[in-house]
Amino acid sequence: EVQLVESGGALVQPGGSLRLSCAASGFTFSSHWMTWVRQAPGKGLEWVAHIKQDGSEKYYVDSVKGRFTISRDNAKTSLYLQMNSLRAEDTAVYYCGTVGSSWSQLLYWGQGTLVTVSS
Amino acid sequence: QSALTQPRSVSGSPGQSVTISCTGTSSDVGAYNYVSWYQQHPGKAPKLMIYDATKRPSGVPGRFSGSKSGNTASLTISGLQAEDEADYYCCSFSGSYTLMFGGGTKLTVL
Repeated sequence: EVQLVESGGALVQPGGSLRLSCAASGFTFSSHWMTWVRQAPGKGLEWVAHIKQDGSEKYYVDSVKGRFTISRDNAKTSLYLQMNSLRAEDTAVYYCGTVGSSWSQLLYWGQGTLVTVSS
Repeated sequence: QSALTQPRSVSGSPGQSVTISCTGTSSDVGAYNYVSWYQQHPGKAPKLMIYDATKRPSGVPGRFSGSKSGNTASLTISGLQAEDEADYYCCSFSGSYTLMFGGGTKLTVL
């Protein structure tokens, strides 16, 4: 059974940092691009970042470039999102996801972890 | 990077059909067949319902179908059932390995 389990969400002050983790199991983690998608309270989905199978390519939405870093550890089958210089508008549930055989296949999703940026 | 345009809400009675549109530009929806649709029930993670504009993952009922014409993609749900009531999001590849979601559509089954 495929499982993606996010952790690390918390209440953090503006300007602070947080590292999210996503533990994957039940599929060949190293064969897939991975992604982070977020959802602000009561709002829609927003793609945040992608990372290639070997970590050699990373892509970000403009609003997080220079502040967030996506990474992965294939040996630990884990995905990470380092978030620095956090802003109130980063408050959201963060989902990790698996890209399937096509760029339009966000095939598997975790249950999400809540990040709240507030003083 | 503006979101794809979806109607805020649609509704239908059980057994009827509804269609949700998703309008983008020639740089995203119009440029690629990498359009997908996700169903999200309250408090739950999204679920992939359609990918590559028209394909259904295994396990998704045949009542769900997708299409695309020009810069607009559509999701049609036939034979509406109560459990179809949810939020639906379209998503398109928009070049440079980026993805763009629509604002979401709330489907109400009357």
